[in-house]
Amino acid sequence: AQSVTQLGSHVSVSEGALVLLRCNYSSSVPPYLFWYVQYPNQGLQLLLKYTSAATLVKGINGFEAEFKKSETSFHLTKPSAHMSDAAEYFCAVSGNNAGNMLTFGGGTRLMVKP
Amino acid sequence: DAGITQSPRYKITETGRQVTLMCHQTWSHSYMFWYRQDLGHGLRLIYYSAAADITDKGEVPDGYVVSRSKTENFPLTLESATRSQTSVYFCASSEGDRGRETQYFGPGTRLLVL
Repeated sequence: AQSVTQLGSHVSVSEGALVLLRCNYSSSVPPYLFWYVQYPNQGLQLLLKYTSAATLVKGINGFEAEFKKSETSFHLTKPSAHMSDAAEYFCAVSGNNAGNMLTFGGGTRLMVKP
Repeated sequence: DAGITQSPRYKITETGRQVTLMCHQTWSHSYMFWYRQDLGHGLRLIYYSAAADITDKGEVPDGYVVSRSKTENFPLTLESATRSQTSVYFCASSEGDRGRETQYFGPGTRLLVL
């Protein structure tokens, strides 16, 4: 069984400020973890993923996330927000199992104020 | 163009009607997925397919039917649409069957059932 909790359905930051989107997971097997981004009226695209190599994962557009097993967390960060970062972000977990079933969190909408 | 496409992008139908949503991918990915996206729920898996002629239920399969006669196509049918099936539907594909594989998403179909 696996699940994902994203704390905060809406997060608002000022342009240039730190972005922190929180994700906690539960998984009965070693997890693979993903962050996807969805821009308005578009499908989801991969930002980054953790697949048991380095615990600090760098993704596209300056985002990164750190896998912390002891805290069962995979928070997404970006040092300086840009207006173009405004979107919905989804954290997802998948176990090391055949079938590649992803379980998604409820999503966090990031708003960036000028 | 290469990638994953969905049609139609928007659909309005009435309760009780049959509706088919189309999904086509050009990568020859073995796995294909159908999700629905509802506010506060993130994405929930409806059905998935491991290969042509192999399909299986996801988290919310009731009221939906799928088929996969060709690797590249994975249509989703609502046999008798209900208002609760008003949602945004996303098709996705991935190359392999391990949890680490990235899923690639189509642009979505926005369905309104009156």
